[in-house]
Amino acid sequence: DSGVTQTPKHLITATGQRVTLRCSPRSGDLSVYWYQQSLDQGLQFLIQYYNGEERAKGNILERFSAQQFPDLHSELNLSSLELGDSALYFCASGTTTEFGNTIYFGEGSWLTVV
Amino acid sequence: AQSVTQLGSHVSVSEGALVLLRCNYSSSVPPYLFWYVQYPNQGLQLLLKYTTGATLVKGINGFEAEFKKSETSFHLTKPSAHMSDAAEYFCAVSDWGGADGLTFGKGTHLIIQP
Repeated sequence: DSGVTQTPKHLITATGQRVTLRCSPRSGDLSVYWYQQSLDQGLQFLIQYYNGEERAKGNILERFSAQQFPDLHSELNLSSLELGDSALYFCASGTTTEFGNTIYFGEGSWLTVV
Repeated sequence: AQSVTQLGSHVSVSEGALVLLRCNYSSSVPPYLFWYVQYPNQGLQLLLKYTTGATLVKGINGFEAEFKKSETSFHLTKPSAHMSDAAEYFCAVSDWGGADGLTFGKGTHLIIQP
């Protein structure tokens, strides 16, 4: 158990709809990362938040957005869903120390768009 | 920009044989290097990481990896494969601060033959 909690574990929704994926980071971790894993794209970094502020952006579509709340949990919002958005979405958390930055992953949220 | 190349999308070894999964990286700054394992229908689990110091890093489940700066490599090895090692393995690189999260390789599927 990595200590990173993601909900829901599985989600099936129709094209055009909007969903929200939730993530609770490990206790004490200030950074939250979102990744998308699909067969054709592999593991793609979407976005990072640090202590409530957006820190870095990767290959995140404009239809997607995220935020990190004061209690450090994060949500990834996916809207106007397309079939190609079907993927496993990972949340990860980490904290930078003098030993560097280690990132721990949650179990993922499986999104199926039909 | 950082990148990771994992040689061989599939590697097959016999049970009890040496496991060698290859990873080469590209980074403009001293890298932090990671190996993650993903078992079927599960999240990513950290196997081991290199930050600074000793270049031979030992991880969980008997795996180890050696950082070779001159070869820009971070290959993963295990002396004797076990059936339970069958999984997808990902090599990843980050800069010290991890500001852009992790950059992953495409993964290597390890198959263990009885």
